[in-house]
Amino acid sequence: GAVVSQHPSRVICKSGTSVKIECRSLDFQATTMFWYRQFPKQSLMLMATSNEGSKATYEQGVEKDKFLINHASLTLSTLTVTSAHPEDSSFYICSSPREGQGEQFFGPGTRLTVL
Amino acid sequence: DAKTTQPPSMDCAEGRAANLPCNHSTISGNEYVYWYRQIHSQGPQYIIHGLKNNETNEMASLIITEDRKSSTLILPHATLRDTAVYYCIVRGNNAGNMLTFGGGTRLMVKP
Repeated sequence: GAVVSQHPSRVICKSGTSVKIECRSLDFQATTMFWYRQFPKQSLMLMATSNEGSKATYEQGVEKDKFLINHASLTLSTLTVTSAHPEDSSFYICSSPREGQGEQFFGPGTRLTVL
Repeated sequence: DAKTTQPPSMDCAEGRAANLPCNHSTISGNEYVYWYRQIHSQGPQYIIHGLKNNETNEMASLIITEDRKSSTLILPHATLRDTAVYYCIVRGNNAGNMLTFGGGTRLMVKP
């Protein structure tokens, strides 16, 4: 299957700082990338959809100015959590479908802890 | 996308078959049934998908009823490493379609 990587895998930061999470497709071109977050003991919730070269589409209730998404190339999308607060602590996961295939390939996730 | 219903949890003995059910009574004609699983603290992993015929791959088998209103994922010989949350998702097969995750079934494989 296709491979999607995320970096970092785990990050701890102070409240008020910004954190950037990278999502890379290693062996295919990712025209579309999805960003999810998952709180403890809950299911994945879609945050936004990013398409290469255009602005991301955010789900209702997700602040676009707080969660900045950049998808500048076909292999890299970044999610920046700006002015992070403890309530932003969560597991952030990206995914991408490979062109022509129905299934999506998920990254390993990034666990963010905001102190 | 059609909504799915799964039992919240199941247990299975190691080495036995694990049969995970999923109801999707509102599925439409062009929607596929997808199964993913998520092992603790990891990203979801694709398992299998199908439209109306039964499917089998190296990981599992997918049995879809004739009316397509329900399906069963079968892990033929469950191992401890199969302990995970299993998600049944129904959606169109467009590569750009997002996945909507429900609660899934937490499968515990016991020795």
